[in-house]
Amino acid sequence: ETGVTQTPRHLVMGMTNKKSLKCEQHLGHNAMYWYKQSAKKPLELMFVYSLEERVENNSVPSRFSPECPNSSHLFLHLHTLQPEDSALYLCASSQDWGQELYEQYFGPGTRLTVT
Amino acid sequence: GQQLNQSPQSMFIQEGEDVSMNCTSSSIFNTWLWYKQDPGEGPVLLIALYKAGELTSNGRLTAQFGITRKDSFLNISASIPSDVGIYFCAGQLYSGGGADGLTFGKGTHLIIQP
Repeated sequence: ETGVTQTPRHLVMGMTNKKSLKCEQHLGHNAMYWYKQSAKKPLELMFVYSLEERVENNSVPSRFSPECPNSSHLFLHLHTLQPEDSALYLCASSQDWGQELYEQYFGPGTRLTVT
Repeated sequence: GQQLNQSPQSMFIQEGEDVSMNCTSSSIFNTWLWYKQDPGEGPVLLIALYKAGELTSNGRLTAQFGITRKDSFLNISASIPSDVGIYFCAGQLYSGGGADGLTFGKGTHLIIQP
């Protein structure tokens, strides 16, 4: 138990559906992250939020829309996804974001399948 | 962008054997992290390294930050069945302009045969 929870753990959605992934951290951290983990590829950083402001967006398609209403919660809104978007989506948090590394703690992930 | 080469890609070992894996990069990093991921779970942080040359242990795990700042290794001594999983290295470079995100290796899949 890392203090980072994600729901749902599994999600199957059609290409025309709209769904949201939720992440919550109970560590009092100020930074939260979304990563995508595909088979045989390194983890890919998608978004970074620090104090509820987006600080990094790594050229992610607009069909992925993040939302950070407060420092404990992070959402990833999904719409009109493609089958190649099927992957494990991981949320992480760290104490802060900025001039030095703060260790990142990961949630268990949401296994997303797009049909 | 930065890339990490992690090797080996997979390891098949006998219980009780020692394990060694490493990561190399074409560019320098300020920090190296090692994570373990079990099936159906997210990565769990094992060891963090912050200084070139640093050698850090966590139980049966030992990791070192290479002097050139372009590599790191992780050793596991006397492997046990619960060591099975995928091990990831991750590096970060930060400068006066701020931090970059973590760059991850592709992982080493450790399989232990009884």
